[in-house]
Amino acid sequence: DVKVTQSSRYLVKRTGEKVFLECVQDMDHENMFWYRQDPGLGLRLIYFSYDVKMKEKGDIPEGYSVSREKKERFSLILESASTNQTSMYLCASTTAQNYEQYFGPGTRLTVT
Amino acid sequence: AQSVTQLDSQVPVFEEAPVELRCNYSSSVSVYLFWYVQYPNQGLQLLLKYLSGSTLVKGINGFEAEFNKSQTSFHLRKPSVHISDTAEYFCAVRSSGGYQKVTFGTGTKLQVIP
Repeated sequence: DVKVTQSSRYLVKRTGEKVFLECVQDMDHENMFWYRQDPGLGLRLIYFSYDVKMKEKGDIPEGYSVSREKKERFSLILESASTNQTSMYLCASTTAQNYEQYFGPGTRLTVT
Repeated sequence: AQSVTQLDSQVPVFEEAPVELRCNYSSSVSVYLFWYVQYPNQGLQLLLKYLSGSTLVKGINGFEAEFNKSQTSFHLRKPSVHISDTAEYFCAVRSSGGYQKVTFGTGTKLQVIP
């Protein structure tokens, strides 16, 4: 079975802190994605990566950056956390064909 | 540009009753369509997908969906729901071309009432 793991299930940070969210997949998938999930808004794509060191902006990249130094790991970085970044963050991975995305359990981030 | 509309944010239904969760999409090109389910405190998992071929697609846990190109719809159905089906359901679309972006709907919460 494909396994996508995220470094934390719950995280509480202060405004202005730098925050790292880590995602690791064990199926040698080419593509990896970061979404944020908010009530009534569904999932919105922040960034995705289709290869090591490659990244593409999604729909809401402002305030975020990403890093993909190894194929299995995709990190989301909040350079200076703000309260409007309080949300559920979901990581996903898929093969190059992208017929199915495999999701991690999510990280619920609270910024106070 | 592509988009997905799930008009029902919540659907309450009695146990063992049938249910239909509605999904409409818009796209200027051919599409692939997906339904994902999210159980409480978990990530999303794929229920079923339409890539090509038969317009009636069967998925896990007794769910099925029908692709209707003329009505640009991909409604999800189950003839008899169980308490364990209580979850949030997301419809998603992506173009069948090379671009990888998947667009998700806003979700429908299915509440099964005992």
